[in-house]
Amino acid sequence: AQSVAQPEDQVNVAEGNPLTVKCTYSVSGNPYLFWYVQYPNRGLQFLLKYITGDNLVKGSYGFEAEFNKSQTSFHLKKPSALVSDSALYFCAVRDDAGNNRKLIWGLGTSLAVNP
Amino acid sequence: GAGVSQSPRYKVAKRGQDVALRCDPISGHVSLFWYQQALGQGPEFLTYFQNEAQLDKSGLPSDRFFAERPEGSVSTLKIQRTQQEDSAVYLCASSLAGYLVAGELFFGEGSRLTVL
Repeated sequence: AQSVAQPEDQVNVAEGNPLTVKCTYSVSGNPYLFWYVQYPNRGLQFLLKYITGDNLVKGSYGFEAEFNKSQTSFHLKKPSALVSDSALYFCAVRDDAGNNRKLIWGLGTSLAVNP
Repeated sequence: GAGVSQSPRYKVAKRGQDVALRCDPISGHVSLFWYQQALGQGPEFLTYFQNEAQLDKSGLPSDRFFAERPEGSVSTLKIQRTQQEDSAVYLCASSLAGYLVAGELFFGEGSRLTVL
């Protein structure tokens, strides 16, 4: 069965510092991996995805994520955090095995960037 | 419209009432998903449509939940005889491609249902 874990409920960083939001996954086939962000009172917004190819994926708003197959991880990173990055971040995984249509979502990590 | 539109944004229902939640996806989007998001949780899959066909309804928690997309565009999620445990935010998402393509999902702002 597929699963995804976001081990940190909350991450606090100072503005200008690098940030990392962690995600690990488990699938039986190959993973399709996604990051979404949810701002207060807003819908979920797509940030980036990994399907195949280069392990380093670049996305919206300066975010990037690195796919690590051996560690089954897909951590979200940004070199220099902004206060406006403060939001709830969700990692999601889909297994490419079979006719699986479902994205499995993590519980979310609340990112607080302090000025 | 420019994005996925959901209505109502907020719904308060008395236990036992029926509710209907509407989703207007981005024009031309083939795939439409409904998710349920409880407080402090990630979205949980409810059902999936490819055009008008409901290809997967395995996430619907009970037979009180019913979804339709009769013309392959607007979708309605109906909950009959609401219970307190149905209180959650119901998210609709659409995608340009069919499910075999792992495309990005475009989400609406959600419909927050509170059952008293």
